[in-house]
Amino acid sequence: QSVLTQPPSVSAAPGQKVTISCSGSSSNIGNNYVSWYQQLPGTAPKLLIYDNNKRPSGIPDRFSGSKSGTSATLGITGLQTGDEADYYCGTWDSSLSLGVFGGGTKLTVL
Amino acid sequence: EVQLVQSGAEVKKPGESLKISCKGSGYSFTSYWIGWVRQMPGKGLEWMGIIYPGDSDTRYSPSFQGQVTISADKSISTAYLQWSSLKASDTAMYYCARLRIAAAEDDAFDIWGQGTMVTVSS
Repeated sequence: QSVLTQPPSVSAAPGQKVTISCSGSSSNIGNNYVSWYQQLPGTAPKLLIYDNNKRPSGIPDRFSGSKSGTSATLGITGLQTGDEADYYCGTWDSSLSLGVFGGGTKLTVL
Repeated sequence: EVQLVQSGAEVKKPGESLKISCKGSGYSFTSYWIGWVRQMPGKGLEWMGIIYPGDSDTRYSPSFQGQVTISADKSISTAYLQWSSLKASDTAMYYCARLRIAAAEDDAFDIWGQGTMVTVSS
């Protein structure tokens, strides 16, 4: 059971928008930055979003992040079939003094 | 180019020992925390622990404390994950990854290794 809670799956049609939620507590999301990772099938995870809403170089602006209180959200617009992947949120937990991940969300682009 | 290159896949028997590696290049290896992440077959990411190669300061998740050992050899820019007695339940993909900001243990993982598959079976 993960410290951070994500929906197991989401789906949307090509060109549409989807959001993925990540729920935590005051010891993790509430007081620390959130990051998001994309894991395409058979590959290593890749950093998509850091510091709640910043994109590393090379990540398109179709990907966005936000945080409010103890929850965070990843948004993806203009969905493409190549966006089909597992998405994970992550942050630091100040009470546990370790990093934590969400359980992951599988995105299907119908 | 900043990269982490991991050692190859391993097939071991229960009770055997194992040490897998993660070599960093293209940046100051001693200045950034390196972490290990487990992914069991068909499952999500699990944060195992991190090491600061500059002084070998190490943090473990309670779930992995005592089960694995994380170490680093800064002279060859390499981090390690080792087991003294493998179990079938250790079968998983293991990733190393670099924390984004120098000397910050609570940041995002920005550079990932390609993964090392460890299979433990009798």
